[in-house]
Amino acid sequence: DTEVTQTPKHLVMGMTNKKSLKCEQHMGHRAMYWYKQKAKKPPELMFVYSYEKLSINESVPSRFSPECPNSSLLNLHLHALQPEDSALYLCASSQAHINGPYYEQYFGPGTRLTVT
Amino acid sequence: GIQVEQSPPDLILQEGANSTLRCNFSDSVNNLQWFHQNPWGQLINLFYIPSGTKQNGRLSATTVATERYSLLYISSSQTTDSGVYFCAVESSSGGSNYKLTFGKGTLLTVNP
Repeated sequence: DTEVTQTPKHLVMGMTNKKSLKCEQHMGHRAMYWYKQKAKKPPELMFVYSYEKLSINESVPSRFSPECPNSSLLNLHLHALQPEDSALYLCASSQAHINGPYYEQYFGPGTRLTVT
Repeated sequence: GIQVEQSPPDLILQEGANSTLRCNFSDSVNNLQWFHQNPWGQLINLFYIPSGTKQNGRLSATTVATERYSLLYISSSQTTDSGVYFCAVESSSGGSNYKLTFGKGTLLTVNP
């Protein structure tokens, strides 16, 4: 099974709201990722967790707060977002690797976020 | 960082036609993946191909790592092949572990 699940599928939130996106995988992967994709653009990496520890933060604003409570779950907490944060948020997972061997990433279906 | 260029940006085909999509990258890579993004946004893994040639049904891919390019071949195209095709690479340069850099994609439209 190569499935990554994400909830919710769609989310509309106001600029003063606090919400969370959830991602889950049961493939035994120990690396998990958040990507952001604006319309007609490629996905862009936001965060990487490896063995439940944050290993990459691509200079993402603090209004996005990731959390990896265990090896199967990844959350993205949202607070005080701006309309320009509206996008498709994709979660991915892979086997963990440091300096090889290297493994492919599998993506979830995404959460389409609209900030009003 | 590594640069990834995909061509063509847009491609329109009649059903049954064949096509070749290209991905050029500017540095050596540890990982190269081809994805198909469907109209609902789902990224579907097509190939994990840092080097060599693979085939899966009507699709095949070749990566020539020494010349820094990869090709995706689609034969006998179907309307369900429509969508955006992304090439994504993980550079082998230091500090690039886990970081997939995507090209801008090729938007494929297959007409009946």
